[in-house]
Amino acid sequence: EVQLVESGGGLVQPGGSLRLSCAASGFTFSSYEMNWVRQAPGKGLEWVSYISSSGSTIYYADSVKGRFTISRDNAKNSLYLQMNSLRAEDTAVYYCARDPPTVVNYFDYWGQGTLVTVSS
Amino acid sequence: AIRMTQSPSSLSASTGDRVTITCRASQGISSYLAWYQQKPGKAPKLLIYAASTLQSGVPSRFSGSGSGTDFTLTISCLQSEDFATYYCQQYYSYRTFGQGTKVEIK
Repeated sequence: EVQLVESGGGLVQPGGSLRLSCAASGFTFSSYEMNWVRQAPGKGLEWVSYISSSGSTIYYADSVKGRFTISRDNAKNSLYLQMNSLRAEDTAVYYCARDPPTVVNYFDYWGQGTLVTVSS
Repeated sequence: AIRMTQSPSSLSASTGDRVTITCRASQGISSYLAWYQQKPGKAPKLLIYAASTLQSGVPSRFSGSGSGTDFTLTISCLQSEDFATYYCQQYYSYRTFGQGTKVEIK
């Protein structure tokens, strides 16, 4: 069974940093492209970042470019999101989400999410 | 960036009703469209991809259609477990979501 479990969320002050993790199991993690998607409270879904299976190709949404860094450790079956210079508008539930095994960019499995709150 | 617009933003329906949700893209996206269901406090769940292909395990009362700029998600006979918010997502150019359609109990 595919499982994605996020951790690392919490309360952080504006300008602060946080590192999210996503532990994957139930599939060959190193073969799949991965993403972070976020959802502000009461709002819709926003794609945040993508990383290829090898980690060689990375994309970011304009809203986080230059502040967030996606990475992965295939040996540990883990995905990460380093978030710096956090703003109030970054407050959201952050989901890790898997791309399917074909070359298409929808999300076939999602984690349960971890809440990040940016507030003083 | 491609904008996705869903309508309606919310609707009220009864169990057994046929429900249709529309998603319009700001430019042509061929059939690069997915639909998700999200229940309160839960992660989204993939229902349909490639505009009309049902994800494994999704009940056949769900169907999708359309190509280019106009797409629909239809629930043929609404069940109690279908009350949720539904999102479309294009993956023709990067990835953007519609704003969501909340299906509520009448």
